[in-house]
Amino acid sequence: ETGVTQSPTHLIKTRGQQVTLRCSSQSGHNTVSWYQQALGQGPQFIFQYYREEENGRGNFPPRFSGLQFPNYSSELNVNALELDDSALYLCASSQKEGHEKLFFGSGTQLSVL
Amino acid sequence: EDQVTQSPEALRLQEGESSSLNCSYTVSGLRGLFWYRQDPGKGPEFLFTLYSAGEEKEKERLKATLTKKESFLHITAPKPEDSATYLCAVPEYGGSQGNLIFGKGTKLSVKP
Repeated sequence: ETGVTQSPTHLIKTRGQQVTLRCSSQSGHNTVSWYQQALGQGPQFIFQYYREEENGRGNFPPRFSGLQFPNYSSELNVNALELDDSALYLCASSQKEGHEKLFFGSGTQLSVL
Repeated sequence: EDQVTQSPEALRLQEGESSSLNCSYTVSGLRGLFWYRQDPGKGPEFLFTLYSAGEEKEKERLKATLTKKESFLHITAPKPEDSATYLCAVPEYGGSQGNLIFGKGTKLSVKP
């Protein structure tokens, strides 16, 4: 059984740039959620995708957007990067939408300079 | 506003020294409380889900309990490999689908 994989593991960008983070969900899971984790904080919900549609969103501006593909993999796109976007971005998959047990990847560490 | 508060922020134990971690929550309606373990540089790993007051779940040296206002994660005779950050989370009530509200976590260090 393949777990959740994220790429890249680390990324350095400058303010104003755009970034795309990728996630492959665990086999058999059709729901993907993205979280942002700042240093010393708990993860904060960005959005959730189910059947290629965004079906839930946290308090993040529209410059945070995503996609889910037919194979349930997903992308997180962030436009116009700001210094405060520096964080660990976590992808999690689950067997169905809502609050089922989440399986997290190891994350992408994004640094914005 | 739904909220999760964990205490202490950090806990240092000697191997074999049992203790408890606390998770206090404020939600309009509880639809489960989740415990996760997070190792440095990794994503959280699911441990338990509790749904109703009085419920208990165990896994190896860990036991999670739930009351109407808080949850405890009891660690019995911990080993160095139990060192990690322990996170608890609750689903946002009446809010966005899929939104788990996490606490800041308790960083546990177990010394041999």
